[in-house]
Amino acid sequence: KAGVTQTPRYLIKTRGQQVTLSCSPISGHRSVSWYQQTPGQGLQFLFEYFSETQRNKGNFPGRFSGRQFSNSRSEMNVSTLELGDSALYLCASSLGLRSGNTIYFGEGSWLTVV
Amino acid sequence: GEDVEQSLFLSVREGDSSVINCTYTDSSSTYLYWYKQEPGAGLQLLTYIFSNMDMKQDQRLTVLLNKKDKHLSLRIADTQTGDSAIYFCAERGNSDMRFGAGTRLTVKP
Repeated sequence: KAGVTQTPRYLIKTRGQQVTLSCSPISGHRSVSWYQQTPGQGLQFLFEYFSETQRNKGNFPGRFSGRQFSNSRSEMNVSTLELGDSALYLCASSLGLRSGNTIYFGEGSWLTVV
Repeated sequence: GEDVEQSLFLSVREGDSSVINCTYTDSSSTYLYWYKQEPGAGLQLLTYIFSNMDMKQDQRLTVLLNKKDKHLSLRIADTQTGDSAIYFCAERGNSDMRFGAGTRLTVKP
């Protein structure tokens, strides 16, 4: 069974541009969540989607947005990129929203903003 | 402060046991997790424990939970150089999952 797949794995963008990252969850998983990982801030929760609806949102500015499609695949978008957005963006999937539903992570998308 | 706290570094000799500690604050957390992250990779689920358990063993891994003190530990027996990585403790209550800052385990030959 394939794991969580994220694309692209690496990308470089310039300040002011926007970026879209993609995530395909494990087959059968309906919940997708996104995290930002930086050396200074650690792992921070961005948002979680279930059945195409955003169910939880972390403390990030409105430049960070996401969506989930009917096949549970998800995308996140960052507009007007800033240098501080350079990070590893991790996508995770689980069967549902209950705390007992184990979360599995993808390999991440490394974003560098120059 | 953070909801989940871990010490940042741990160094052990190959063959010794490693113990990584974690404290959390959300008493509603029903599941607690340990993840491993190797350089350049995502997070790999190692093990998890339900809050009504106080111990779980899985091969070389032993998880101990003291719910009264909100303290969680991960013991790795016979630590190998391949265990060198960052280990994250995480709790999940009713909303998002909260992670500690991670403990960097270095295994010396």
